[in-house]
Amino acid sequence: DADVTQTPRNRITKTGKRIMLECSQTKGHDRMYWYRQDPGLGLRLIYYSFDVKDINKGEISDGYSVSRQAQAKFSLSLESAIPNQTALYFCATSDSNGYNEQFFGPGTRLTVL
Amino acid sequence: KQEVTQIPAALSVPEGENLVLNCSFTDSAIYNLQWFRQDPGKGLTSLLLIQSSQREQTSGRLNASLDKSSGRSTLYIAASQPGDSATYLCAVSGGGADGLTFGKGTHLIIQP
Repeated sequence: DADVTQTPRNRITKTGKRIMLECSQTKGHDRMYWYRQDPGLGLRLIYYSFDVKDINKGEISDGYSVSRQAQAKFSLSLESAIPNQTALYFCATSDSNGYNEQFFGPGTRLTVL
Repeated sequence: KQEVTQIPAALSVPEGENLVLNCSFTDSAIYNLQWFRQDPGKGLTSLLLIQSSQREQTSGRLNASLDKSSGRSTLYIAASQPGDSATYLCAVSGGGADGLTFGKGTHLIIQP
């Protein structure tokens, strides 16, 4: 079984809709991250969380919010989706005792029409 | 702001060749550097992590080096195989717990 799972794997939605992407991990890591990947721009950090009580904005947090429901679960929400949020979204985890080596989920492909 | 550049953007070589992928970063105050592999439409697979105090790491046919003072890292792939075809991403961590800053990747094709 995969250590880092993301649901859904693919999603098509319309402009203005609220959407939530979910991430779960069985690695026992305390840190979790959300990135988006766009052609020509690479991966960019949206939000990250050191533990359940800690949430931090990344480079491109505008238009997004997150919730760390448990150590193993970290969700990303788009309150009102817009077409330029069409991208591939990745969740990642790392262990505070492990030199911050990050492990990635399989990604969610989101299309906003 | 940290910037990471990878050269070349694309590379196509015959099977069996040794090759080098390059990564440079603008701020030498990094915590670690990580190399990833990404297959089309897939997630990222961690290949090697080099701590800021280390000079190189090896895993099988892969060897990654780090020269922090000059802001450079290289990924050496020995005896390339068609299965090595993928996009290779370099990323640096600026602190102990923050996110990674990524390069845009090198798209590698190994011709059978």
